[in-house]
Amino acid sequence: SQKIEQNSEALNIQEGKTATLTCNYTNYSPAYLQWYRQDPGRGPVFLLLIRENEKEKRKERLKVTFDTTLKQSLFHITASQPADSATYLCALQAGSARQLTFGSGTQLTVLP
Amino acid sequence: DAGVIQSPRHEVTEMGQEVTLRCKPISGHNSLFWYRQTMMRGLELLIYFNNNVPIDDSGMPEDRFSAKMPNASFSTLKIQPSEPRDSAVYFCASSPQGRDSNEQFFGPGTRLTVL
Repeated sequence: SQKIEQNSEALNIQEGKTATLTCNYTNYSPAYLQWYRQDPGRGPVFLLLIRENEKEKRKERLKVTFDTTLKQSLFHITASQPADSATYLCALQAGSARQLTFGSGTQLTVLP
Repeated sequence: DAGVIQSPRHEVTEMGQEVTLRCKPISGHNSLFWYRQTMMRGLELLIYFNNNVPIDDSGMPEDRFSAKMPNASFSTLKIQPSEPRDSAVYFCASSPQGRDSNEQFFGPGTRLTVL
């Protein structure tokens, strides 16, 4: 069956360091992979999208990689700040289907 | 733009009662999604509409759940009768037309508690 796993449930890092979050999937061939941020009591907010034929995508302090051979995406936040503390969700989309399948999320805490 | 609007924000009801959740998508978006989020199961897709037509309802847990989209600016998710295990946060999301990448815009959610 299709499965999406995000590394640890919680990740604590020191301010200024680079946070790296992992999204692994099995029995799935996504055409797109998206990352969302969710703050407590709020809905997820779209951050970045990467296509299956792209290796890397950047947006300000954010970087996403996508390795379809390893079936893995890495999400990096450089120069992390306490304001980056939130839960980060990866989501997969297959081909032209509009549905997204979400991972369980990683709760990131950036310590001052 | 006000974003996706959901009401109510919080709902507390007793087992057996009917619950109706409401959603107004972003104007011009042609896809609408209903999700349920719990600690145990994460964020699950219940149903999605494209141009007001239900396309995939395979995530709807039981016949007690139903969803409608009578027009492009309004959708409802109904639970009848409600049960304690339906307690969760229900999100509505919308997505614009013409993009195969399907970036989704989420509402603030409705926190449902069934006693």
